[in-house]
Amino acid sequence: RKEVEQDPGPFNVPEGATVAFNCTYSNSASQSFFWYRQDCRKEPKLLMSVYSSGNEDGRFTAQLNRASQYISLLIRDSKLSDSATYLCVVNDYGGNTPLVFGKGTRLSVIA
Amino acid sequence: IAGITQAPTSQILAAGRRMTLRCTQDMRHNAMYWYRQDLGLGLRLIHYSNTAGTTGKGEVPDGYSVSRANTDDFPLTLASAVPSQTSVYFCASSQGQGDYNEQFFGPGTRLTVL
Repeated sequence: RKEVEQDPGPFNVPEGATVAFNCTYSNSASQSFFWYRQDCRKEPKLLMSVYSSGNEDGRFTAQLNRASQYISLLIRDSKLSDSATYLCVVNDYGGNTPLVFGKGTRLSVIA
Repeated sequence: IAGITQAPTSQILAAGRRMTLRCTQDMRHNAMYWYRQDLGLGLRLIHYSNTAGTTGKGEVPDGYSVSRANTDDFPLTLASAVPSQTSVYFCASSQGQGDYNEQFFGPGTRLTVL
């Protein structure tokens, strides 16, 4: 089985802090990459896709390193509302083939 | 309906009973998926369907069956429930085209098998 590994955390950080999560994947041929966010007792929702060139969306920056097979997510100026579990997700074969989910990293932002 | 709906929201079921979890999407997505999520194990794929009329097995298919008679509906059936099937079940769908293929999730069904 193809694996996606994440540090489960929890990461406990104060408001305003910068926090980074890393994720490694085992299949070097993986096609596409995502970060999903899951709030407690809710469904996962797409936070951002991760492109080879790296991409930024407001306070969130995602990076992909294909050579080392890892993906990162950087959150700047953390807000209380950022508290959630962040899932690293990989699509091994592209298209509508099933995604492979990491087990998630729990983030708690503390006032 | 907007997006994906699942029913029931939660259910307590006696072991040995048959149960069907319902999932409906109104986005005309080609692909649909069923996952279970357990503490410490993350999301695991049970079954999927790339298009109406086709289904495939995921990582943990045993004890579950699915059908895809049309584009919108993708029910998951537990023929004879066992306590190890206690979990939160999420249905998801995606358009099914292109590499960056966002999956949209339903709100989940919390199932307890006693």
